[in-house]
Amino acid sequence: GQQVMQIPQYQHVQEGEDFTTYCNSSTTLSNIQWYKQRPGGHPVFLIQLVKSGEVKKQKRLTFQFGEAKKNSSLHITATQTTDVGTYFCAGHASSYKLIFGSGTRLLVRP
Amino acid sequence: NAGVTQTPKFQVLKTGQSMTLQCAQDMNHNSMYWYRQDPGMGLRLIYYSASEGTTDKGEVPNGYNVSRLNKREFSLRLESAAPSQTSVYFCASSAWGQGAGYTFGSGTRLTVV
Repeated sequence: GQQVMQIPQYQHVQEGEDFTTYCNSSTTLSNIQWYKQRPGGHPVFLIQLVKSGEVKKQKRLTFQFGEAKKNSSLHITATQTTDVGTYFCAGHASSYKLIFGSGTRLLVRP
Repeated sequence: NAGVTQTPKFQVLKTGQSMTLQCAQDMNHNSMYWYRQDPGMGLRLIYYSASEGTTDKGEVPNGYNVSRLNKREFSLRLESAAPSQTSVYFCASSAWGQGAGYTFGSGTRLTVV
């Protein structure tokens, strides 16, 4: 079955440093979604990318979808303590099966 | 706006007991989902309901059953709980399958002893 892998598993950064998490799928994706989960909380939808090579920005967050639509990345510029949490990518195995990656846990030192 | 509401928030069961996790959404979404999340892992799809009246298996359906009671409500039942079912369970909904972000409930933390 489809697998979605994320690296790194953990990232500990100093506040103000940049952060990137990478997502790779074993199959071509029709789209990719990103979610953020705060400690003890629930996943919150951030964004969806659909087009090959697409780049979207949300303030300090930059999301990219690979040309082959099998990989994606999330980059945070100048991290803040409010960025702490686990970031998940997710891709559809079929219309109603959204498969999540294992997530990257971001810790930020103030 | 309540969004997706899950009950209960916490539950401890003994092995072999049964229970039903409740989920309701007020966003008029067609599709609903049940995921489980184990420590340090991503979310795994248990069952989903593409629309009212339909349900289908996800990645890890064994040991669970679901009911799409109406458009708003989607319940998850554990008939005979096992320690391996200790997890955090999240219900989610979306306007349709692909192309829409999922809205998650706050989760049910289940421990089976």
